[in-house]
Amino acid sequence: NAGVTQTPKFQVLKTGQSMTLQCAQDMNHNSMYWYRQDPGMGLRLIYYSASEGTTDKGEVPNGYNVSRLNKREFSLRLESAAPSQTSVYFCASSEERGNNEQFFGPGTRLTVL
Amino acid sequence: QKEVEQNSGPLSVPEGAIASLNCTYSDRGSQSFFWYRQYSGKSPELIMFIYSNGDKEDGRFTAQLNKASQYVSLLIRDSQPSDSATYLCGGTTDSWGKLQFGAGTQVVVTP
Repeated sequence: NAGVTQTPKFQVLKTGQSMTLQCAQDMNHNSMYWYRQDPGMGLRLIYYSASEGTTDKGEVPNGYNVSRLNKREFSLRLESAAPSQTSVYFCASSEERGNNEQFFGPGTRLTVL
Repeated sequence: QKEVEQNSGPLSVPEGAIASLNCTYSDRGSQSFFWYRQYSGKSPELIMFIYSNGDKEDGRFTAQLNKASQYVSLLIRDSQPSDSATYLCGGTTDSWGKLQFGAGTQVVVTP
């Protein structure tokens, strides 16, 4: 039981490049989330998925897209990376909508030059 | 304006003492609150959650919620060096139950 896994762990991009961050959970959770964490800002919600087939914007969605591929997987895509997207990205999951006992993945540290 | 506010610290606590962390929130509709601990370079892990006014105890941790005054606190008794971490307070923002987090309070327990 790996919990929530994320790939890659580290990534360096040049401005304008694109990439997809992958997240998978093996806890049979319905809801999944993408956060970014910046110094002094705490965790900010980018997108979330209440259940398979649904996605919704969070607090800071601009510049990102997501796909809920199936119940296990929730990916985050940066179409044209900008230096302002340099951050640590965390994926999380919870059993269901409204159950806020969220379990976090190990994070992806992204640097955009 | 952030809806959940925490002092960033660092909060320096002698080993064996009580660490007191505070969190205030602006949305009176917030129903439930969660405390996460995050070690440097690691992901957040849930310590406690609280829904009702009053105290909730779990081992060395006590969460306190006062909805009238819009604050939630976390007490860590008998603080240990392993408690040195950043503590994130999260509160629900809507009926769906999405969380908004404060910036976190760094706690340093000194031997």
